Amino acid sequence: QQQVKQSPQSLIVQKGGIPIINCAYENTAFDYFPWYQQFPGKGPALLIAIRPDVSEKKEGRFTISFNKSAKQFSLHIMDSQPGDSATYFCAACVTGANNLFFGTGTRLTVIP
Amino acid sequence: GAVVSQHPSRVICKSGTSVKIECRSLDFQATTMFWYRQFPKQSLMLMATSNEGSKATYEQGVEKDKFLINHASLTLSTLTVTSAHPEDSSFYICSARLAGGYYDTQYFGPGTRLTVL
Repeated sequence: QQQVKQSPQSLIVQKGGIPIINCAYENTAFDYFPWYQQFPGKGPALLIAIRPDVSEKKEGRFTISFNKSAKQFSLHIMDSQPGDSATYFCAACVTGANNLFFGTGTRLTVIP
Repeated sequence: GAVVSQHPSRVICKSGTSVKIECRSLDFQATTMFWYRQFPKQSLMLMATSNEGSKATYEQGVEKDKFLINHASLTLSTLTVTSAHPEDSSFYICSARLAGGYYDTQYFGPGTRLTVL
């Protein structure tokens, strides 16, 4: 059973557009939600993360929106660039526990 | 900070041989490291959790005698694929957990591409 559901599977936007990737979870014990960016042939890199005590977190051009009641969170990339083309994974876990549950990934392509 | 390295980045071996992959946390100590496997265009699949000084915990369906894990120090974990076969060809990624603070999370290595001929 997929603990974290991610959509869309793939996304194509024009340079400057704002791609939005959505994730949903069921386990209300989850209290930490990181996003990872992965380029082909490389390991995932931590991009940004949020805890349920806030509804939004922004770091540079990346913003996470968090809706605790709906058990959903999303990643927004402002002013997207071709260099942002990568696969993005959302994840969720319980602080202190080892298991990190990943979404299925979204392949983003930003067209120049 | 929070850099994890893996070696080798790429390895090609003959069927039946064993391959060792090293995972190091370069600027922090990690009591817990993880090993993942990733197939093309798919998400990461957790293989095992490695705790320093104790036996690894394997996920269901992962053969512990085939994928030997050793976590000898707070900065090094190794994965040995024993008697490798073509179906073991994959992208193997390790991660190390940096506990405490806001970012209590896993930091990933760059991955190792294993090709078994």
